[in-house]
Parts: sequence; structure tokens; C-alpha cells
Amino acid sequence: QVQLQESGPGLLKPSQTLSLTCTVSGGSISSDGNYWTWIRQHPGRGLEWIGYISYSGITYYNPSLKSRVTISLDTSKNQFSLKLNSVTAADTAVYYCARRERGKYNFDYWGQGTQVTVSS
Amino acid sequence: QSALTQPASVSESPGQSITISCTGTNSDVGAYNYVSWYQHHPAKAPKLIIYDVYNRPSGVSNRFSGSKSGNTASLTISGLQAEDEAEYYCSSYVSGSTLYVFGTGTKVTVL
Repeated sequence: QVQLQESGPGLLKPSQTLSLTCTVSGGSISSDGNYWTWIRQHPGRGLEWIGYISYSGITYYNPSLKSRVTISLDTSKNQFSLKLNSVTAADTAVYYCARRERGKYNFDYWGQGTQVTVSS
Repeated sequence: QSALTQPASVSESPGQSITISCTGTNSDVGAYNYVSWYQHHPAKAPKLIIYDVYNRPSGVSNRFSGSKSGNTASLTISGLQAEDEAEYYCSSYVSGSTLYVFGTGTKVTVL
């Protein structure tokens, strides 16, 4: 059973960089065919796909965030990370990490989410 | 890319059935049979309950079923139980570079 757990600072000031880590247990992030994903939910709104990184390190980002987002793998720690530059209040959200498998178009395992608030 | 449209809330008594709609466009829901549904209880990890329009992952109750007609997908929950009270989100693969779009979410209340 794959489990994911997000971690990172919960409070940021405008213009800072959001940095979150997702620790994966019950499976290797290097396993062939896995795509490690970040999704967020703004207060009172639906979910937004941020992007994902393949098991081989290829990234895919939502065009609306592409200029500010970086997703990376740390295979030594079985973790993957999200960095979002130049945050504003509009980036206040609950951030989730999740897994997608190759050939499938859904997210079968999710973390519980971590709240990130951007405020001066 | 706009979010898929879902009703904000649905309420029904235990044992009854409800259907939640998810309306998109011919670039997402209407274009692909890659609609999935997620159940989200507060402070818990969202759970995949339907994928590829009507398939259930192993371990998901057969009280959950999915369907699609044109640009609208639907989730039906039959024999409603207290534990079904949660937020439900649909999602679809979408053409272009956005790749995935989610619904606005539906709060299900079991009366």
C-alpha cells in the first residue's frame, strides 16, 4: 500500500518561495511507470492540477503555473518536491501530493494535504 | 481551462440514491473516457472511487457507479449511508497542455 505525506512550512510572506516535500512509503519513487503529482485546493474552491514528474525525471506543468513551478525527485530519500516562486495570497491553498500510473488517467494514492498560507 | 461544473451540494436520507453531475466540454469530459471521481472526508486523503468513467478500484463499494453522456459525467451513490457524507470531486483528462481538470466539488449530506 503506497502512502504519501506532505511536509513543509505552513506560512509564507508574499514574494517568497513555497517549498514542499512529499515522502513516499510502501513503494519506490523510481519504480517504472509512476508519475508523482502535486495538486492544490484554494479555500472554498475545487482542485487544481499543478504538475507531475515521471519516474525518469520528466516534468509536466499546468501552463498557468509553469513559469513559477519546479517539481523534482530525490530518489535517495524516496521523496519528491514542489517549489513555487514569487508566491502571492492567491497561492494560499491546501497542497496535496498524489500518484498517477502510466497508462492511467487518475490519481490513485493521495496524501492528506498540507495547508499553506501566504500573508504579510 | 475552466473547472468542471458540479452542484454545490446534494442531500438525501439514508438508504436512498443520489446522482452527482459533472459537466465539462468537448475538450475534456466529452472527448475522453478518462473521467474519475474522488471522495474526500475532511482532513483525510482523497480517495479514488471511480476511474475511466465507470470502473471501480478494488475495495470500493459497488454502491458507487459512474456513467457519461456527451459532456456530462455522473456519479450515483445507491443505498446512501452515513459514511458517504463527504465532498466528491470529478476529474477529466483534457486535450492541450493543462492535462487534467477537476470539478468544483459537491458536498453530500446524509440527512
